Formats: sequence, C-alpha cells, structure tokens
Amino acid sequence: KAGVTQTPRYLIKTRGQQVTLSCSPISGHRSVSWYQQTPGQGLQFLFEYFSETQRNKGNFPGRFSGRQFSNSRSEMNVSTLELGDSALYLCASSLGGLENEQYFGPGTRLTVT
Amino acid sequence: DAKTTQPPSMDCAEGRAANLPCNHSTISGNEYVYWYRQIHSQGPQYIIHGLKNNETNEMASLIITEDRKSSTLILPHATLRDTAVYYCIVRVVGANSKLTFGKGITLSVRP
Repeated sequence: KAGVTQTPRYLIKTRGQQVTLSCSPISGHRSVSWYQQTPGQGLQFLFEYFSETQRNKGNFPGRFSGRQFSNSRSEMNVSTLELGDSALYLCASSLGGLENEQYFGPGTRLTVT
Repeated sequence: DAKTTQPPSMDCAEGRAANLPCNHSTISGNEYVYWYRQIHSQGPQYIIHGLKNNETNEMASLIITEDRKSSTLILPHATLRDTAVYYCIVRVVGANSKLTFGKGITLSVRP
C-alpha cells in the first residue's frame, strides 16, 4: 500500500505571497491532519479533516486554512506569508480519526524569504 | 492531555537494548501512552501505544508502571537506523484529541 504523499517537497516563497500544499492520504484513510514543525516550537497541530469536514483545529491564525476533497486528498493554504511561516509542514492520515495510529508523509519544506 | 517529561538525549551501543524513559505523573485513567519517532528529515513514525498493560510489537516493547505515572520504551537490539527523536505522548483515545508532541528524546546509537 502506498504511503502518504505530499507535494511539493520543497518550496520557496516571498513574504506576502500565498501557498497551497497538497497531501494524498493512504488509500482508505478518511482522516487527514496537518502539522507545522519548526526548530523553536517543535511539532504543532494545525487541523484535522474527516470526510471533507474540519473536525479539530489547533491554535493558528486564520491565515492557515485547509480543505479536504471527496477522495480524501487534502490541501493546506497559507495566505500573506510571513518569515515565521518557514517550516516543515507534515500531513498525516489515519483510518478513522486522531484516535487511530497516524501515518505521516515526508513533509513539505517551506522557506519564506 | 497529560504532560510528559523526557530527558533530552541518551545514547546506546549498537546491538544493545535501548531503554527510553518517560514520566507522565498526571495521566488520567482514560489516557493512553503513545510513542512516535522521527528520523532526521522524515515524518514521524508510529511505534506503539498502550493503556496499562505492557505491549510488544515487531518494533519495540512498552512497559508501563503499575501506577501508570511513567513508562519505558524498549528497543531490544538497537541499530544505527534507530537514531532518531523519540516522542512520548499521552492522550485520550476516542475523543479526537490531537497529538501534542513535546521535545522528545534524541537517541543516538553508536557503532
């Protein structure tokens, strides 16, 4: 079974721009979660989608948004990028939800200049 | 979710058992102990989880003390590929609570 895939793997953007990251979960998994990882803050939960609905949300500003499609693929959008948004963005999928074992993708490394 | 405390780092020799400790003194009765690890430049990987009984799978064993205030992850025969950051997480299962990662413990396996 193919693992969680994320595209692109690396991205460089300029302050003020917006960016969209994509995540394809493991086949059959309906829950997709997003995390941000920085050296200073570590791994932080952004949000979780299940069957196209946002079910859980972390403490991030409204510039961070996401959506999930009917095939469970998910996208995350960050608008008005700031230098502090430079991070590794990780996506994880699970069968039922956050209570199940989560399988992480390799991440997208975003650099904001 | 209860907070966990892990030492920042430890090392062990290749082929020996690695015993990674975790304190979770405020754990409640319905909270499970989860372990994930993150090898450099990769996404975290699930290892094992348990409630109160000891658990074992093909990767590791999880030993939880009787009072559930601490646990130990055991990698029976550590290899160089086990060098990673190991996260101990306590969370309620079934309530859609998110994974809250702390700083973890960096395990270095030396040849």
